[in-house]
Amino acid sequence: EAGVVQSPRYKIIEKKQPVAFWCNPISGHNTLYWYRQNLGQGPELLIRYENEEAVDDSQLPKDRFSAERLKGVDSTLKIQPAELGDSAVYLCASSLDLAGRSYNEQFFGPGTRLTVL
Amino acid sequence: AQSVSQHNHHVILSEAASLELGCNYSYGGTVNLFWYVQYPGQHLQLLLKYFSGDPLVKGIKGFEAEFIKSKFSFNLRKPSVQWSDTAEYFCAVNEGYSSASKIIFGSGTRLSIRP
Repeated sequence: EAGVVQSPRYKIIEKKQPVAFWCNPISGHNTLYWYRQNLGQGPELLIRYENEEAVDDSQLPKDRFSAERLKGVDSTLKIQPAELGDSAVYLCASSLDLAGRSYNEQFFGPGTRLTVL
Repeated sequence: AQSVSQHNHHVILSEAASLELGCNYSYGGTVNLFWYVQYPGQHLQLLLKYFSGDPLVKGIKGFEAEFIKSKFSFNLRKPSVQWSDTAEYFCAVNEGYSSASKIIFGSGTRLSIRP
């Protein structure tokens, strides 16, 4: 079974440029997550989707970040314009959320390492 | 707000040494607890988890963790480490009884094993 796929794996851009990341979750997984991992830190949730609905975007900097999950499958995360502080690894994860369970295991992709110059 | 503390940022051990990585969390209610591992060049993956029941949980590759509620701790242990255990280890917590609650990760502990 294929895992979570992300592209690109690496991206280097200059500040004020736009950038987009793409994620394809595990087939059949209804929940998708975007995390940001700064150097020396653990992942921090940016946004969570249940199917195509964003159910938790409280940590997403909405002035420059946007995300979408059309048709409840693939997702894109965009930054426009990028700032120096956005340099980080952006992780996508997915899970199959079942009713009545207190936790559903998240499976992570390899991440996209963004460097903003 | 929930938080997770991993006090050891970098641990260096020789092969066959015993391992214990500390993890403390702050949340007064029911929690689910996790340890994730990221081997060099690989994805973040679940090592073990605690939901309820026996506070001593066993995971993959000989790892185990003990939930001590009174100490708000969930330390990771392995009796004898191998060179292949070199990786970054993350402790995480989420609020129990709710699959909607987000997971809070600690800052991670880098484990280096000398062959």
